[in-house]
Amino acid sequence: SQTIHQWPATLVQPVGSPLSLECTVEGTSNPNLYWYRQAAGRGLQLLFYSVGIGQISSEVPQNLSASRPQDRQFILSSKKLLLSDSGFYLCAWSVVATRGGELFFGEGSRLTVL
Amino acid sequence: AQSVTQPDIHITVSEGASLELRCNYSYGATPYLFWYVQSPGQGLQLLLKYFSGDTLVQGIKGFEAEFKRSQSSFNLRKPSVHWSDAAEYFCAVVGNEKLTFGTGTRLTIIP
Repeated sequence: SQTIHQWPATLVQPVGSPLSLECTVEGTSNPNLYWYRQAAGRGLQLLFYSVGIGQISSEVPQNLSASRPQDRQFILSSKKLLLSDSGFYLCAWSVVATRGGELFFGEGSRLTVL
Repeated sequence: AQSVTQPDIHITVSEGASLELRCNYSYGATPYLFWYVQSPGQGLQLLLKYFSGDTLVQGIKGFEAEFKRSQSSFNLRKPSVHWSDAAEYFCAVVGNEKLTFGTGTRLTIIP
């Protein structure tokens, strides 16, 4: 069966420090991968999605970047964190080319920038 | 571009009472619609989805949703809520391989 792992679960970082959140999927090949951010009272905002290795689409301009170095690995990064980067980050995957495919979510990473 | 509106930010219901969470969508073609539930500090779990066919969709945990094209709505219902249903609920529509979520409705259950 397919599983998705996301880490770290909790992170407290100072302003200006770098960030790396990792997500891996097991049990499937060539998934669509997504990074969402959930800020308090603002629902889920799609940050990045990827349909293949090295292919990243950014949905909103921001202080973050994403990379997909392997088929089932998706990394969210920042060189210098801002206070506004605080939030709950969710990685998700879906089956490629299935328009109605549901998303399967990781357990999330809570980032607090101080 | 697609969009989803969940007009109720927070709803409180008594345990055993019925529930309806509202969702309105905007999408140019036939929508694929979803309801997800999120327990505090957790990821999201799919409750149910609508692709086509019967407009009344049954999901897990006793939830159902009805697709009404004329009203651009996909409201979530449950006849009798349990304390374990307290969570945040998200409606979503898919378009161009991406899922767009509403801002969510937080459900509180009182004894």
